[in-house]
Amino acid sequence: DGGITQSPKYLFRKEGQNVTLSCEQNLNHDAMYWYRQDPGQGLRLIYYSQIVNDFQKGDIAEGYSVSREKKESFPLTVTSAQKNPTAFYLCASTRDSTTSTEAFFGQGTRLTVV
Amino acid sequence: GQQVMQIPQYQHVQEGEDFTTYCNSSTTLSNIQWYKQRPGGHPVFLIQLVKSGEVKKQKRLTFQFGEAKKNSSLHITATQTTDVGTYFCAVNTNAGKSTFGDGTTLTVKP
Repeated sequence: DGGITQSPKYLFRKEGQNVTLSCEQNLNHDAMYWYRQDPGQGLRLIYYSQIVNDFQKGDIAEGYSVSREKKESFPLTVTSAQKNPTAFYLCASTRDSTTSTEAFFGQGTRLTVV
Repeated sequence: GQQVMQIPQYQHVQEGEDFTTYCNSSTTLSNIQWYKQRPGGHPVFLIQLVKSGEVKKQKRLTFQFGEAKKNSSLHITATQTTDVGTYFCAVNTNAGKSTFGDGTTLTVKP
């Protein structure tokens, strides 16, 4: 089945540690996105990538980093510079970024920093 | 950047009552999408509207795009407990970004 996979589902980290969230898609989609969702709130865009080896900052990129070395993979690193990293992180992909197409979301990773 | 305002933030209804959420923009939109996120789940695409005045139906759900393409609505007739969740509108920009509204969380009392 084609889809987008995030791992792990739950992640606990100590304050001050960097942590990397995995996102893999086998939909052959060009564009991939990372969103952050806080309780009772909407989705805020962290980073997005329209093509391999290229990515742009979203609305809340500070304290995060990404890479897009392969079309199917778009890992997100939450660095120690992120002041409030505990949140639900959602990865999404679209066929491309030039036309309006539906976004497919992964199951999400719930990160808790203690 | 392009923003969309979604109202209400929360809606509590008795099962069988209708429900409507609205999405408004100050600028003309090229398209609008609607997603549903069940509690504890991830957003799932429902529909995309592109044409001015467009109306689309999915069983008990009716989606509308305003004539000026600045607003949209999602209406659910005779809600059921399976309708609970948060409904988001989203717009795509030419830069390839998707901007989501803050969502309307629907709870249904049986």
